[in-house]
Amino acid sequence: AQRVTQPEKLLSVFKGAPVELKCNYSYSGSPELFWYVQYSRQRLQLLLRHISRESIKGFTADLNKGETSFHLKKPFAQEEDSAMYYCALKGFGNEKLTFGTGTRLTIIP
Amino acid sequence: DGGITQSPKYLFRKEGQNVTLSCEQNLNHDAMYWYRQDPGQGLRLIYYSQIVNDFQKGDIAEGYSVSREKKESFPLTVTSAQKNPTAFYLCASIPGAVNTGELFFGEGSRLTVL
Repeated sequence: AQRVTQPEKLLSVFKGAPVELKCNYSYSGSPELFWYVQYSRQRLQLLLRHISRESIKGFTADLNKGETSFHLKKPFAQEEDSAMYYCALKGFGNEKLTFGTGTRLTIIP
Repeated sequence: DGGITQSPKYLFRKEGQNVTLSCEQNLNHDAMYWYRQDPGQGLRLIYYSQIVNDFQKGDIAEGYSVSREKKESFPLTVTSAQKNPTAFYLCASIPGAVNTGELFFGEGSRLTVL
């Protein structure tokens, strides 16, 4: 079975402060991890994936297999980062994408 | 305007009635998915289809049915057997038959059972 845990339902951060959204997973095989974002009045969309190892909108996420984590980080929060963030996992060779329960990030001006 | 179109956006239904949610895409994507979104529970997979005339159950398929007669269409029927149907339903698609993890989502349909 594959499972994704996002321990924080809500997270408030001041503008300019660092942001870290936590994601832990459970999967016995080789996982692929993703972060999705939903801005107000917009569709849910892919933000980044671990295999790309890229920074999108200043966000990065590193897959830590030892800690089974894929935390999303940004050094300096911006107001436009306010959104709902979902961590998701796909097992190798598996067609299912399993989502966490989501974290609502609010950036305080 | 290309993309995934879900209709209706809002739907009200009486208990005991079946209702069908439409999902159409003009992206020429092969695979399509239905998720249910509930507050505090994230997205849960209902059904998915990798090719026409074939579909697979997801994690919460009970009380739902789907069909995939055309590549661009993947309607979801919420039957009276679904015990708690009030929810936000999201349709998604991916370009190939193999899931790369990058799903393209519709705007969703909110179903309320009265």
